[in-house]
Amino acid sequence: DAKTTQPNSMESNEEEPVHLPCNHSTISGTDYIHWYRQLPSQGPEYVIHGLTSNVNNRMASLAIAEDRKSSTLILHRATLRDAAVYYCILSRTSGTYKYIFGTGTRLKVLA
Amino acid sequence: DAMVIQNPRYQVTQFGKPVTLSCSQTLNHNVMYWYQQKSSQAPKLLFHYYDKDFNNEADTPDNFQSRRPNTSFCFLDIRSPGLGDAAMYLCATSRGVEGYEQYFGPGTRLTVT
Repeated sequence: DAKTTQPNSMESNEEEPVHLPCNHSTISGTDYIHWYRQLPSQGPEYVIHGLTSNVNNRMASLAIAEDRKSSTLILHRATLRDAAVYYCILSRTSGTYKYIFGTGTRLKVLA
Repeated sequence: DAMVIQNPRYQVTQFGKPVTLSCSQTLNHNVMYWYQQKSSQAPKLLFHYYDKDFNNEADTPDNFQSRRPNTSFCFLDIRSPGLGDAAMYLCATSRGVEGYEQYFGPGTRLTVT
């Protein structure tokens, strides 16, 4: 089964860039890579997703390794409101549908 | 303004007493999902509907059922809740399943006494 591995926690200073890594060595060719974040007592919130190429949106950037076995979520300037659990997810629609959350990285932003 | 609404936000039920959680959406999305999230764990997909087609995850216990009477509403029925079913239940929607963003509701926290 598709699986992602993330560090349990990371810290960043406010206003500095944050690079959140994710390993997904069992990814298959048609699996999408998604990132969501979850603030306390809230449902997860979409951040970004991609298939093969790097992606940018107003919230973040997603850098995908050439072999697709890892990816990095980049927050360009961390703010206190970015403190959350960040989940890396693979989605698979070929055969049985799969949407499996990784264990997540708890990001702490220091003022 | 709310797009995915879950009611109630907090639900207490007794061991073995059937309980229903509800989810509604204003996005007119084709797909609706139910996730279970236990304390300090990641959400785990239970099942999803693509329109009227029900898709159950292989490891979802039979105790969990779902109904989708129309595009806007989806229900999660727990037939005989056990203490291990205490969790946050999250509903989400998306336009499609491949490469689409999911929109999550705020969740219903279920307590089993």
